[in-house]
Amino acid sequence: DIQMTQSPSSLSASVGDRVTISCRASQRIFKFLNWYQLKPGKAPKHLIYAASSLQSGVPSRFSGSASGTDFTLTISGLEPEDFATYYCQQSFSTPLAFGQGTKVE
Amino acid sequence: QGQLVQSGAEVKKPGASVKVSCKTSGYTFTDYYFHWVRQAPGQGLEWMGRINPDSGDTNYAHNFQARVTMTWDTSISTAYMELSSLTSDDTAIYFCAKDRDTNGYLYFDLWGQGTLVTVSS
Repeated sequence: DIQMTQSPSSLSASVGDRVTISCRASQRIFKFLNWYQLKPGKAPKHLIYAASSLQSGVPSRFSGSASGTDFTLTISGLEPEDFATYYCQQSFSTPLAFGQGTKVE
Repeated sequence: QGQLVQSGAEVKKPGASVKVSCKTSGYTFTDYYFHWVRQAPGQGLEWMGRINPDSGDTNYAHNFQARVTMTWDTSISTAYMELSSLTSDDTAIYFCAKDRDTNGYLYFDLWGQGTLVTVSS
């Protein structure tokens, strides 16, 4: 099974900051990598698919990149509504594993 | 766009089973896989498995294979997840999610609101 390792587990940031979250796959998954945002009491929200493609309606301050088995989610200019927990997920093969999450606070 | 509406919170005793429903609207029920994901208190998201409501094919995660059953009822556009032999470790919010494929890349584009299942004696 493919394991996804996210870092850091949490980070402290302020409105306007540039935030970077990392995710590493245990084996090659090409660009089969998604990012989701989760807020307490709400359904997860899909942000990015194919490592770097923005879901329709997601603000352009969110971006994703890939290098080998390493993936990055960047928020350029943190907004108040962006304080949440972010998860990566591989969609290359089942089980469709998630990372452990990164809480932005 | 569509909507997924899950059944309400459940409280179960250890050893019991729970069945969570996920009613869909706004799209063709059999066109996409359903997935079930859970989040235990203070933990991350955990993929449990998926079902193809068109073919009935299922894939279950190893951790749940012996205890989970995913089904569906096309007539009412509803998917179900039943988990048996519950323990306190199964206390979690359970989400259903619909997937979508864009240019060969799969992701979960629509999620239910979550169902809290509490296992307590």
